[in-house]
Amino acid sequence: GQSLEQPSEVTAVEGAIVQINCTYQTSGFYGLSWYQQHDGGAPTFLSYNGLDGLEETGRFSSFLSRSDSYGYLLLQELQMKDSASYFCAVEKIIFGKGTRLHILP
Amino acid sequence: SAVISQKPSRDICQRGTSLTIQCQVDSQVTMMFWYRQQPGQSLTLIATANQGSEATYESGFVIDKFPISRPNLTFSTLTVSNMSPEDSSIYLCSVTRGDRATDTQYFGPGTRLTVL
Repeated sequence: GQSLEQPSEVTAVEGAIVQINCTYQTSGFYGLSWYQQHDGGAPTFLSYNGLDGLEETGRFSSFLSRSDSYGYLLLQELQMKDSASYFCAVEKIIFGKGTRLHILP
Repeated sequence: SAVISQKPSRDICQRGTSLTIQCQVDSQVTMMFWYRQQPGQSLTLIATANQGSEATYESGFVIDKFPISRPNLTFSTLTVSNMSPEDSSIYLCSVTRGDRATDTQYFGPGTRLTVL
């Protein structure tokens, strides 16, 4: 079957760095996407990795290793507004169950 | 960016009835997607709708149950037919301007459907 695994919850401190991991098992893999979703809100597209390596966009970076079927989202200089759920997805089709990020002051 | 509106924002429907959800984008887009999401759960892709062609449905979703229209590059509808309580969910419209995997994906605010 096709699946993506990511931790259900992660807790970090304001100002710190946090990494959210995602491992996938899919057929026909092309790339990994990341999304942010605040409670009651719509998802927001964060990044896409089609090639191995690190993609950086401001405080957020995303990494992909296709040989390891693994990727991660790195959030730096955490702010309280980063408290949300984060989803990894293969293309735009198969989504992980989401990681709820809690940020402590 | 793309600004997406959905109508209705929420509805409560009776079992056996149908509801059509509208998705309007403020500018022309290539790809339109329909997802559903249970509160606190992940997203599930229902189908991809491209203008001028039949929608492509994901496994577990069929046209008879979820007919989709895409009459132009800014508008699409999803109908949830013969509803049952299991169809209660948030339905999300999403778009990309192009058809590349790297294109930014934008989401509408969602339609919260409750079936009694």
